[in-house]
Amino acid sequence: GEEVAQTPKHLVRGEGQKAKLYCAPIKGHSYVFWYQQVLKNEFKFLISFQNENVFDETGMPKERFSAKCLPNSPCSLEIQATKLEDSAVYFCASSQGTGWQPQHFGDGTRLSIL
Amino acid sequence: GQQLNQSPQSMFIQEGEDVSMNCTSSSIFNTWLWYKQDPGEGPVLLIALYKAGELTSNGRLTAQFGITRKDSFLNISASIPSDVGIYFCAGRLNAGNNRKLIWGLGTSLAVNP
Repeated sequence: GEEVAQTPKHLVRGEGQKAKLYCAPIKGHSYVFWYQQVLKNEFKFLISFQNENVFDETGMPKERFSAKCLPNSPCSLEIQATKLEDSAVYFCASSQGTGWQPQHFGDGTRLSIL
Repeated sequence: GQQLNQSPQSMFIQEGEDVSMNCTSSSIFNTWLWYKQDPGEGPVLLIALYKAGELTSNGRLTAQFGITRKDSFLNISASIPSDVGIYFCAGRLNAGNNRKLIWGLGTSLAVNP
């Protein structure tokens, strides 16, 4: 598609439950990025992919967070055993070519942990 | 994590006024991007800068990549009500091979009609 599509728009989970977020990048874009936006507007980089390969995972919490980009499927970000502090808006972005081109963002998934 | 210093944090202006905001860093960047975010939506790219000293316009918006490569500014001329939103600077460090963006904390703009 012509836009980055993220689903669901809102996700509510009880503390300790699993949460799974999805992202379909712009068609033809080979790089996918996940960011977490928390209070005070701060964007935190989580992970990036080049096609289905992890490119940079330096921002991923080592425990509980995992992500995949499989061929012919939306990319996914999964959080196991969610905590209250995981409440945030999670944005996916994609970039074409070598990944140095600007990143184009989806509208995010708002995750609320109760 | 590393952040950019973006200022001002918020602005409240009259319609028709010009606006200026900037971002600074202690590190050298090889890319500066300016985004606008409306409530409930993702950031939308306004201007991308790739070269020190580069000055680029997009309608009433003008942005520059600082000559020291450690700063950038965004100007909006003759503001209108639909300019309301949060403006973010983002950049890529001139180090290594990573493509991730480092972000400012945003400038919240309110325009009084």
